[in-house]
Amino acid sequence: DIVLTQTPLSSPVTLGQPASISCRSSQSLVHNDESTYLSWIQQRPGQPPRLLIYKVSNRFSGVPDRFSGSGAGTDFTLKISRVEAEDVGVYYCMQSTQFPLTFGGGTKLEIK
Amino acid sequence: QVRLQESGPGRVKPSETLSLTCTVSGVSVSSRPFCWTWVRQSPGKGLEWIGYISYRGNPTYKSALKSRVTISVDTSKNQISLRLRSVTAADAGLYFCVRDSLLGFDYYSVDVWGQGTTVTVSS
Repeated sequence: DIVLTQTPLSSPVTLGQPASISCRSSQSLVHNDESTYLSWIQQRPGQPPRLLIYKVSNRFSGVPDRFSGSGAGTDFTLKISRVEAEDVGVYYCMQSTQFPLTFGGGTKLEIK
Repeated sequence: QVRLQESGPGRVKPSETLSLTCTVSGVSVSSRPFCWTWVRQSPGKGLEWIGYISYRGNPTYKSALKSRVTISVDTSKNQISLRLRSVTAADAGLYFCVRDSLLGFDYYSVDVWGQGTTVTVSS
């Protein structure tokens, strides 16, 4: 199975400041069709997960443009340009390139 | 608006079978390019993909669970079902029904999640 390693485990951030989360894959996530199926998911406290980014850098409908995704191959990053209070929660990367689909261990974003 | 609602008994006895249902509204379970997925969340294992069934009715399972799991679809009721046999304490957690899409041009990943249903394994 592909292992996704997220860093940091926890990220205390000041409101209005940027935040960055890294996701490293144990194997390349480039599919035979040449697409890279890496997504980012947010889970606010007490809520189900919510899709933010798909295929590395595509923002899902309704997601604020302060969220952006980048990366290639085995290294990916989620960036929040200016953290807002509603961004508190746990962020997961997820790969769909190879079965079984797998998730990173999560990064907890909290406000300083 | 697409909605997914999980339902099922909150408690299952060890060695018995867990059965959950996901009722889908706002879209047909037979609509391409979707696949209907079960994901579970537990404190010890984080988010874990269990498997899915495609809009064509073809299931794919996580290998480690394959011998115990069945995902099926009832198109007349627009429902997806999960059956997990011989449960142990390790199967306890929050179970989500999720809409995913098959890989390709019109792929949108896990774009709709149910609220989740909690499963306890206890005698």
